[in-house]
This record gives sequence, C-alpha cells and structure tokens, in this order.
Amino acid sequence: ETGVTQSPTHLIKTRGQQVTLRCSSQSGHNTVSWYQQALGQGPQFIFQYYREEENGRGNFPPRFSGLQFPNYSSELNVNALELDDSALYLCASSLPPGQFYGYTFGSGTRLTVV
Amino acid sequence: AQSVTQPDIHITVSEGASLELRCNYSYGATPYLFWYVQSPGQGLQLLLKYFSGDTLVQGIKGFEAEFKRSQSSFNLRKPSVHWSDAAEYFCAVGAGVGDSSYKLIFGSGTRLLVRP
Repeated sequence: ETGVTQSPTHLIKTRGQQVTLRCSSQSGHNTVSWYQQALGQGPQFIFQYYREEENGRGNFPPRFSGLQFPNYSSELNVNALELDDSALYLCASSLPPGQFYGYTFGSGTRLTVV
Repeated sequence: AQSVTQPDIHITVSEGASLELRCNYSYGATPYLFWYVQSPGQGLQLLLKYFSGDTLVQGIKGFEAEFKRSQSSFNLRKPSVHWSDAAEYFCAVGAGVGDSSYKLIFGSGTRLLVRP
C-alpha cells in the first residue's frame, strides 16, 4: 500500500509568480485535501476535491485553486504569490465523503516566496 | 465556531517520565478527534483517533488519549517518554465540510522536548 506522495519537496519562488504543487493519494483513497501550515502554526484547511470537483473550501482567496484527475491525484495552484504564502503545504487523502475515517498526510512541499 | 486549543506551547520532560499533553475542543456535535505528531520538516503522522465507543483510545508508539465530553477534552498520555518522542504534537477535530465530508481543525501544537 503506497502512502501519499508530494512533489516537489522544496521550492523557492519570487513574489508575483505562480506555482503548482502535486500530490498522489494513498491507494484506495479518492478524496484529496490540501492544507497550509505556516511556521509555528497548525495546518489550515485550503480545500478538498472529490470526483474531480471541489467539495468544500476554507478561508483562502481565489488565487488558490486546485485540480483533481481521474486517477485521484491532485494539484494545488497558487497565483500571484505573496510573501505570506511561504509555508509547508500538506496534501491529505481519505476515503469518499460519507466513509470518512481520517486522513493520511504526505510529507509536504516547503514553499518559500522571496 | 469549531476550535481546538492546546494550552501548552512547549513541554519538557525527562526521558522515562510520564507525559500528558492537553487538548480542549469546541464543537457542537459528537466530535471526531485526532492526535498527530510531526517531526521537523516532515508531514503529519496519525497517533490515534476517536470516533465513538470506548473513551480511552490506544494508539501507536505507546500513546493513549481519553475523551472527556464533560470537559471537552482529549488529552494525550504516555507512561514513559523516549528521546525519539521529541516532536510537535497536534490535536485536531473533524468538522463538516462540503457534501458529507470532513476537514480537520488543528490546534496550534505543543512542542515536546525530552531531557536525557
């Protein structure tokens, strides 16, 4: 059974640029969620994808967007990067809505915006 | 509004000593509760979870937690701490989102330091 894998591990971008982060879900999980963890804080929910559609969103601006693909993998896109977007971005997969039994998290992508 | 409070930012214990990390939650319905551990620069590893049933939950690495509805608490315990337990610990509650799904609301974490 494979876990959640994220790429890249680390990334440095310039303010105003755009970035794409990738996630492959755990085998058997078809729901993917993204979290942002700023330094010294707990993770914050960004959004969740199920059946290739957004199924819930946290308090993040529209420049944070996502995609889910038929193989359940997912992308997080952030446009017009700001310095405050520097954080660890965590992907988490789970069973379908209605069968929720917890999340499996990946190791994260460390994004630094300079 | 749903929230999770971890009142201790840092805790230092000696190796072999017992440990209790505090967690209080605010949630209207019966909560789904979780404890995760995070080593520096790493993702989150699930220690244990509570959904229903027995209020004393056993997890991995010798950890346990007790759900106390009357106190809105879900404290994490370990009888004897090992140096490898030094990490950041997060308590979380599952809150409804979207169509029949859940998101996790995390506390701000407790950093555990272990003295030799």
